Amino acid sequence: QVQLVESGGGVVQPGRSLRLSCAASGFIFSDCAMSWVRRAPGKGLEWVALISSDGTKIHYEDSLRARFTISRDNSKNTVYLQMDSLRVEDTAVYYCARDHLDSNAMDVWGQGTTVTVSS
Amino acid sequence: FELTQPPSVSVSPGQTARIPCSGDVLAKQFGYFYQKKPGQAPVLLIFKDTERPSGIPERFSGSSSGTTVSLTITGVQAEDEADYYCQSADDSATYRVIFGGGTRLTVL
Repeated sequence: QVQLVESGGGVVQPGRSLRLSCAASGFIFSDCAMSWVRRAPGKGLEWVALISSDGTKIHYEDSLRARFTISRDNSKNTVYLQMDSLRVEDTAVYYCARDHLDSNAMDVWGQGTTVTVSS
Repeated sequence: FELTQPPSVSVSPGQTARIPCSGDVLAKQFGYFYQKKPGQAPVLLIFKDTERPSGIPERFSGSSSGTTVSLTITGVQAEDEADYYCQSADDSATYRVIFGGGTRLTVL
C-alpha cells in the first residue's frame, strides 16, 4: 500500500545537525513532488520545504531556508531533510508528505519522526 | 499571506459543524482541509475548495466564497473530534505553503 516512513529523529544539542529520511513505497515516487511539514509542541502545522519530482525545483519556508536542505534520491525512493544549526524552536514532529498530483495539497503523510533540540 | 481559523468549535453528535478559514490568498488560490488526531498523521479531507479524496466520508464537504473557504461536517460523530487545519499555496513571488492555525473540534 501507499506508505511513507520517516526516520532519523532524535535528541540533539543546539547548534548541531540532523538528517531526516523518508522512505516511500506503493507508488511511483519519481512522479511525485514531496514536502516536509512540522508540528512543534502545542503549535499548529508548519510547512518546511518542497522538492519537485525530479529534484530540480526546491522551495523553502523563508525563515528556514538558510539552515535546512531538502533533497531526494529517486533510485532509493527516499526524500531527505538536512537540518543544520538546530535551535530549540526546531523541536517538533517532522512529517514527510506526498504532494497531490492535481493540486497543491498533500495527500499522503507519514507518521512523523520526533526531533528534540535540547542542551 | 495568512489563513485565519477559529481556535475552537463545539457541537453535539448528529449536528452540523462548520469550520471557516479566511485569507486574501483564497480569492485566487484553492483551499485545502486536513484532519489531525493525536498521535496520527494528518489526513487530507478536502482539496481544491470542494473536492473530496476517495475514502473520505460524504459527511465532510467544502465550500468557497470570496476570501473564505469552509469545511462542513454534517451529522458529526464522536470520532470526528480532532484538530482541523486549512491550507493554501501561493506562487505569486516565491512558492509558499501556509497552514491556518487550526481549529479544535469538540464533540459534546
